Amino acid sequence: GAVVSQHPSWVICKSGTSVKIECRSLDFQATTMFWYRQFPKQSLMLMATSNEGSKATYEQGVEKDKFLINHASLTLSTLTVTSAHPEDSSFYICSALPLTGKREAFFGQGTRLTVV
Amino acid sequence: ELKVEQNPLFLSMQEGKNYTIYCNYSTTSDRLYWYRQDPGKSLESLFVLLSNGAVKQEGRLMASLDTKARLSTLHITAAVHDLSATYFCAVVTGGGADGLTFGKGTHLIIQP
Repeated sequence: GAVVSQHPSWVICKSGTSVKIECRSLDFQATTMFWYRQFPKQSLMLMATSNEGSKATYEQGVEKDKFLINHASLTLSTLTVTSAHPEDSSFYICSALPLTGKREAFFGQGTRLTVV
Repeated sequence: ELKVEQNPLFLSMQEGKNYTIYCNYSTTSDRLYWYRQDPGKSLESLFVLLSNGAVKQEGRLMASLDTKARLSTLHITAAVHDLSATYFCAVVTGGGADGLTFGKGTHLIIQP
């Protein structure tokens, strides 16, 4: 089956620093990847749609200057949380939509971000 | 704006019992997904439902879709403890974007 790998699985950073999270599709190509955020005991919220070779599309209320998305290749999208604050602590999950086959995106294992 | 409502949000049941989780959505969509999430983990895909009347079964779980009513159900038959998890339904956001709008999730506890 299709595998999506996120790195790191967890990260602790100091307030004011930036953190980069990688999302890789290991055995397929994806022009589109999605980034979701999940706060404890809540549902997943779509943050942005990442398109290879073009600018990401952000959902309403998500600051594009704070959550920088780069999708430079067909197998890699990155999310950088800039100037992180404790309220950015969350579980970040990516998914990748294969170029071919069924139109079902596959999820990474998630990244637990804690800002102290 | 697409809204997805699940109920119940919390369910405690005994092993061996049957129960149904409901998922309503507000606008037309051509795909509905059911996922399972264990604590601290990402999502595990359970079912993808594509058409009206679609029914899929895997083990003790069965999902169905009624696009006219904008309703999907996830039925649990003879529950076992291993099915304890949080279950989410999700619908394609629309506009060709393929991003998903999730329900709030149903936290299911199955007691021996």
